[in-house]
Amino acid sequence: GNSVTQMEGPVTLSEEAFLTINCTYTATGYPSLFWYVQYPGEGLQLLLKATKADDKGSNKGFEATYRKETTSFHLEKGSVQVSDSAVYFCALKNTGNQFYFGTGTSLTVIP
Amino acid sequence: NAGVTQTPKFRVLKTGQSMTLLCAQDMNHEYMYWYRQDPGMGLRLIHYSVGEGTTAKGEVPDGYNVSRLKKQNFLLGLESAAPSQTSVYFCASSYWGGETQYFGPGTRLLVL
Repeated sequence: GNSVTQMEGPVTLSEEAFLTINCTYTATGYPSLFWYVQYPGEGLQLLLKATKADDKGSNKGFEATYRKETTSFHLEKGSVQVSDSAVYFCALKNTGNQFYFGTGTSLTVIP
Repeated sequence: NAGVTQTPKFRVLKTGQSMTLLCAQDMNHEYMYWYRQDPGMGLRLIHYSVGEGTTAKGEVPDGYNVSRLKKQNFLLGLESAAPSQTSVYFCASSYWGGETQYFGPGTRLLVL
């Protein structure tokens, strides 16, 4: 089947710290992988995506690399800001066009 | 261009009452989805639609019905609400085969 496992939070970091949020997946076939972000009181927004193995998705200083050999898609940012405080969801899309989401990781960045 | 909108934003129901949640999108997307979001559970797919007049079950369809009579609208119905349906409901849409989903702002439902 298809599933996504991501590290549990909450995560609290100081401003300018390095961020890693782990995500691993199980899928049939060759899924596309995504990171979505949810700011308080809002719906999810696409942060970045990768559609095939070894692709790197990047946006707003965040990066994630599609690693087929380790079935992982870890999210990283070199220097977080207070405005990055949000909930981050890892997700996959299978060939049937259904999306599967992880449980979300809450990030709080303190000044 | 409003994107994806959801009505209502918040609702309180008593057990056994019925209601309909409306999702509308103005991006001419073929696919539309209904999810529920619960603490520690992430987003779980309730039902989805791949085009006008078609619907399909997702991961947690029991207790819900949907209809897609117009391409731009996707309705989620609760015939007899239960406390277990207390949740935040998100609608999303995408192009056919699209890699990106666009989400609405959510509807918070409390069933007493």
